[in-house]
Amino acid sequence: GIQVEQSPPDLILQEGANSTLRCNFSDSVNNLQWFHQNPWGQLINLFYIPSGTKQNGRLSATTVATERYSLLYISSSQTTDSGVYVCSVEGYNQGGKLIFGQGTELSVKP
Amino acid sequence: DAGVIQSPRHEVTEMGQEVTLRCKPISGHNSLFWYRQTMMRGLELLIYFNNNVPIDDSGMPEDRFSAKMPNASFSTLKIQPSEPRDSAVYFCASSPGRLAEAFFGQGTRLTVV
Repeated sequence: GIQVEQSPPDLILQEGANSTLRCNFSDSVNNLQWFHQNPWGQLINLFYIPSGTKQNGRLSATTVATERYSLLYISSSQTTDSGVYVCSVEGYNQGGKLIFGQGTELSVKP
Repeated sequence: DAGVIQSPRHEVTEMGQEVTLRCKPISGHNSLFWYRQTMMRGLELLIYFNNNVPIDDSGMPEDRFSAKMPNASFSTLKIQPSEPRDSAVYFCASSPGRLAEAFFGQGTRLTVV
């Protein structure tokens, strides 16, 4: 089945710093989503981005489907950005089944 | 919309007992998914339904697990009998269908002692 790899596995930032998280996938995909899992365990939707670039405040994401990767950019990080960032993909002919990467654990220090 | 609603939020049970987790998807969503999250294995898909019909249950660990979706607004995941290794957070998610954004409930944290 399709493999999803995220890097780095963990990241420590000083408040105000910028970061780029990466999601690589092993096959063509129909669907890609980024989630933020907060310290309480909730999975918060960040972006639905099968291709192209989207921005939402300090966060933006780019998916280059032909090269099988997606990037999540966090600018001017805040302590509330801490948590796990998870990438998920739906492969072709997978009928809507999302496969998740292992996540990047981000810790933003004040 | 209230989003995907799961109950209970927390469940502690003794080994051997039956556990039933419940999910109400977002109204109008045709696809429903059950996931399990553990430290070791991350988020794993257990089963998903489309228009109330189970499409893929290959992720269900064993016969102790069963899932039903009797109508478009309700699904259950049952574990009978429960074992300590079933301890995990169980998430339910729904989406309007294929090629659409999925939304997750707040999860049920299950502890089997």
